Order: sequence, then structure tokens, then C-alpha cells
Amino acid sequence: AQKVTQAQTEISVVEKEDVTLDCVYETRDTTYYLFWYKQPPSGELVFLIRRNSFDEQNEISGRYSWNFQKSTSSFNFTITASQVVDSAVYFCALSDYGGATNKLIFGTGTLLAVQP
Amino acid sequence: AAGVIQSPRHLIKEKRETATLKCYPIPRHDTVYWYQQGPGQDPQFLISFYEKMQSDKGSIPDRFSAQQFSDYHSELNMSSLELGDSALYFCASSRVEGTHGYTFGSGTRLTVV
Repeated sequence: AQKVTQAQTEISVVEKEDVTLDCVYETRDTTYYLFWYKQPPSGELVFLIRRNSFDEQNEISGRYSWNFQKSTSSFNFTITASQVVDSAVYFCALSDYGGATNKLIFGTGTLLAVQP
Repeated sequence: AAGVIQSPRHLIKEKRETATLKCYPIPRHDTVYWYQQGPGQDPQFLISFYEKMQSDKGSIPDRFSAQQFSDYHSELNMSSLELGDSALYFCASSRVEGTHGYTFGSGTRLTVV
């Protein structure tokens, strides 16, 4: 069965601090996708990144970076120099690769509060 | 770029009433997904459609039904509403082939009173 675990329920940091959100996943599939979404207080789900299982290159996008470690089944997300606008719930998610039933399995989310 | 359109954005219904949520996927996306997110919860998969046929089913109550129409828009019908149905309902669309874009709509916030 597929499962995503985000052990950090809430994280509070002060602006300009770096913060890492952890994500550990379980799947028996050899190919799969991993995602991160941001959900601000307004409620929409904002896509941040999709990574497929055969691409273990780390990715950096501005202040955001992702570390994919297949050996430990982890896909961690780091925000550098956090800002108040980063305050949101962040979800890690997993889906099958290919096929017509690519439903997302979400973790329980991490609430990030960035204090000014 | 066109996004996934959901309507209405907000809906208030009384217990035992019926609600219909609509979703218009991104053009050329052939798969539509519905998710339910209760307060403080993560989104839970309800049902999906590929080329107008149901492709997968999750934890969708029997009181709910959904379909995808010939123009690819989808509707989620919810009957005999209960207080526990109060949630954010998201629709997402994707394309099976290609870059597997997976885009969510802004959601419909349903409140059952």
C-alpha cells in the first residue's frame, strides 16, 4: 500500500531562517511520482514540484530546494531565508507513474508559521 | 494559461439537501479527479474519470455520484447531505500522456448546516 508520512505537524520559524520539511513515503511500485503542494490560508492547492522516481537529481528553484533520496524513501523540501508569505500548510504526495488512475496519496501536511 | 475551473466557490446547504459541484478541466486534459478535504485534514481521493469513464474510486460515500460529460467537464452530485460532508472539494485534471501535469482547481467550500 502507498503511504506518505510527514512527521512534522507544525513548524514555527522566524523570518530569514532556513527550514526543512520532511517527507517519507512507502510504495511497492518501482516507478512513481512525488509532489509538493502549498496550501495557503486562502485554501487553494498550489503546485510546487513533481519528481519522478528515476530522477534523483536535487532541484533548486529560487529559495526552494528539494532533496530526493530513494535509498531512504525521502523527499524533503527546504525553504531558504523564509518569509512571512511562506506561511502555509505544505503537503507531500505520491502517485503511480503512468496509467489512467494517477490519484494522489497525500501526507497529513506540515503547518509552517513564519514569524516576522 | 487556462486552469481548472470549479463552481461554485462556496455553497451552503441544509442537512438532507442535494448539492452539485462542477469542474471544467484544462483543455486537452483527459482525466479528472475529485478530492475531499475536511477541516484540518489532507485531501482524500474520491473518484476519477478517464475519457468519460470512471477509472478509479476511493472513499466516496454511496450518497455521492459523479460523471464526466462529452465536453470533459465533470459533476459531483451529493445527496442526503450530512454535517460531516462540510469540506473543501477539489477537482484536478491531468493528461495521461505527455508531461503528466496535475493541476488543481481552487476548490468548492461546502458548508452543511
